[in-house]
Amino acid sequence: EIVMTQSPATLSVSPGERATLSCRASQSVRSNLAWYQQKPGQAPRLLIYGASTRATGIPARFSGSGSGTEFTLTISSLQSEDFAVYYCQQYNDWPPITFGPGTKVDIK
Amino acid sequence: EVQLVQSGAEVKKPGESLKISCKGSGYSFTTYWIGWVRQLPGKGLEWMGIIYPGDSDTRYSPSFQGQVTISADKSISTAYLQWTSLKASDTAMYYCARPGSSSLVDEFDIWGRGTMVTVSS
Repeated sequence: EIVMTQSPATLSVSPGERATLSCRASQSVRSNLAWYQQKPGQAPRLLIYGASTRATGIPARFSGSGSGTEFTLTISSLQSEDFAVYYCQQYNDWPPITFGPGTKVDIK
Repeated sequence: EVQLVQSGAEVKKPGESLKISCKGSGYSFTTYWIGWVRQLPGKGLEWMGIIYPGDSDTRYSPSFQGQVTISADKSISTAYLQWTSLKASDTAMYYCARPGSSSLVDEFDIWGRGTMVTVSS
């Protein structure tokens, strides 16, 4: 099973600042990695797939990079609606598909 | 519009059985896998398993193998997640989700709104 780790667990950021979230896989997942955003009381929402492709309707301030075992989600200028929990997910080697434990982005 | 509509919240007692549902619409139900994801209260996302409704090919996470059963009825475009004997530790939100590509298991681009299952004596 591929183990996904995320850092930091919590990221405190001021509105308008840049946020950088990290995700690491225990073995290569090539570019088969997605990022999701989840707000309280809501289902997860797909942000990025294929490590760097924005999903439909996702603002350009969200970007993803990386391949193999190291990945990054960057939010270039945080808006109030971006404060949420972010999960990475690998779908290269399954079952099982595995998620990271999440990074909570909160207001500084 | 492509959507997954899940059944409503459930409150059950330990030892009871339960089957929750996820109805797909707006796309070809038989050509997309549908997965189930558990979220314990205040915790992260756990992938439970996935089914291909076209031929009922089903795969489970080792963590959930033998604990739940995933099935689908393609005649009514509905996937199911069921338990034969619930435990308090099954209390969670359960999401169904559909991958973005037909016939492939990749990123989940469509999610249901979730079914909250509460197991309490």
